[in-house]
Amino acid sequence: GAGVSQSPRYKVAKRGQDVALRCDPISGHVSLFWYQQALGQGPEFLTYFQNEAQLDKSGLPSDRFFAERPEGSVSTLKIQRTQQEDSAVYLCASSTGPRAWGKMYEQYFGPGTRLTVT
Amino acid sequence: AQTVTQSQPEMSVQEAETVTLSCTYDTSESDYYLFWYKQPPSRQMILVIRQEAYKQQNATENRFSVNFQKAAKSFSLKISDSQLGDAAMYFCAYRAQFSGNTPLVFGKGTRLSVIA
Repeated sequence: GAGVSQSPRYKVAKRGQDVALRCDPISGHVSLFWYQQALGQGPEFLTYFQNEAQLDKSGLPSDRFFAERPEGSVSTLKIQRTQQEDSAVYLCASSTGPRAWGKMYEQYFGPGTRLTVT
Repeated sequence: AQTVTQSQPEMSVQEAETVTLSCTYDTSESDYYLFWYKQPPSRQMILVIRQEAYKQQNATENRFSVNFQKAAKSFSLKISDSQLGDAAMYFCAYRAQFSGNTPLVFGKGTRLSVIA
C-alpha cells in the first residue's frame, strides 16, 4: 500500500472489554513498531517485530497487552480487560531493514487508533 | 536509559517569522540519530528532519534546519519563514544506532501556533 494504515481510527470500549487494534505496514517492510501516546505526551515504545518474530516487548505495560504478527505483515495489538489508563493513541510504524549495521531505517507512521475506555 | 527533554510546552510565531524549538537529550552512546517529527491534528507523524550524530554539519531541509551541539547534547529546530501549515505538535526523538532496528525515544512535544 501507499502507507501504513491502522484500523479502527477510533475505538470506544467499556472498562473490562477486550480490544484488538490492527496495523497494515507498508508492503515489504520487515520491521514493525507499536507505540502508545497518552494525551499531551510523546509516543512511548511498546513492542517491536522483525518479520513475524517479536524481538522486543519490553515496553508493554502489563500482561493484559499482547501483540502478534503471525505472517510477518499485518500486526494486531490486543488489550484484554481494558482499564481507563489504557486510553491513548496507539501508533504503528514500519521500516525496511535491518540489513546493514548502522544504516538508518526511517520509520513510517500510521495515523493511529484513538482508544477511549469509559 | 536515554531521555529526551523538550522544555517548551507551547510556542507561537508570526507568519513569515523564524522560531526555534529546543531539545536536549541524555545518552551514554557516541553514535545515534536525532529527529524532529511533526504531528498535526490528524495524528500522522511526519518526519521533518534528521541528524546523524557522527556528522558535524547541521542538517537542513528547505525552511527547516537544526543546531546540533553534541557536547552539550542539544538539538534545536529552527523554522524559517513560518507558514500557517507549520502549526502542529513537534516532537524531538532519539534513536540508538545498533545493528537492526531500534525504537524511537520521544520528548513530550512542543505545540507550535502560527499567527497570521
